[in-house]
Amino acid sequence: QQQVKQSPQSLIVQKGGIPIINCAYENTAFDYFPWYQQFPGKGPALLIAIRPDVSEKKEGRFTISFNKSAKQFSLHIMDSQPGDSATYFCAASGWGGTSYGKLTFGQGTILTVHP
Amino acid sequence: NAGVTQTPKFQVLKTGQSMTLQCAQDMNHNSMYWYRQDPGMGLRLIYYSASEGTTDKGEVPNGYNVSRLNKREFSLRLESAAPSQTSVYFCASSGGGFGQNQPQHFGDGTRLSIL
Repeated sequence: QQQVKQSPQSLIVQKGGIPIINCAYENTAFDYFPWYQQFPGKGPALLIAIRPDVSEKKEGRFTISFNKSAKQFSLHIMDSQPGDSATYFCAASGWGGTSYGKLTFGQGTILTVHP
Repeated sequence: NAGVTQTPKFQVLKTGQSMTLQCAQDMNHNSMYWYRQDPGMGLRLIYYSASEGTTDKGEVPNGYNVSRLNKREFSLRLESAAPSQTSVYFCASSGGGFGQNQPQHFGDGTRLSIL
């Protein structure tokens, strides 16, 4: 059962563009929504995370928008650079019962930023 | 700091062989996790250990066993490898106590092929 659905699967933008990656979740017990960035041959690394008590969080060129009622969240990359080319994963976790700390990942988005 | 170290980086096995994937972290984290990454499916949790001495099943535990040897080390064992277990395996760790969603730090993975 895929509890976090991510789209698109791949995305190509020009340098300076604003790629947007979307995720939707089903489990209303989720209360932590991180985004991970992965370069080829490396493990995922935390990029930015949000909790449902805020609707937006910015860190540098990366912004998460969160819509609790729609159960959706998205990643925006401002002024994208070729060095941002990577695979991006959204994830979600909650706690209570057996769900503590366990991340459920989306399927991933391969982002290519052309010079 | 080394962070999360996984060994080996690459391995080729024949169907039916067994092997153990090793993982060690030097961040004094309580929780450790094993994921597998397959194309188009994101990362899926195999097993996790919320603290030293405890382990629990994740989303896809069949065919695997784990051992939390001490606070630093968390190993994943394939008793009788099958081609369906060809994947990239990632170990991760996170700090914090129960009920706290803390960032997970990943190793660089073990690429396992089963013929």
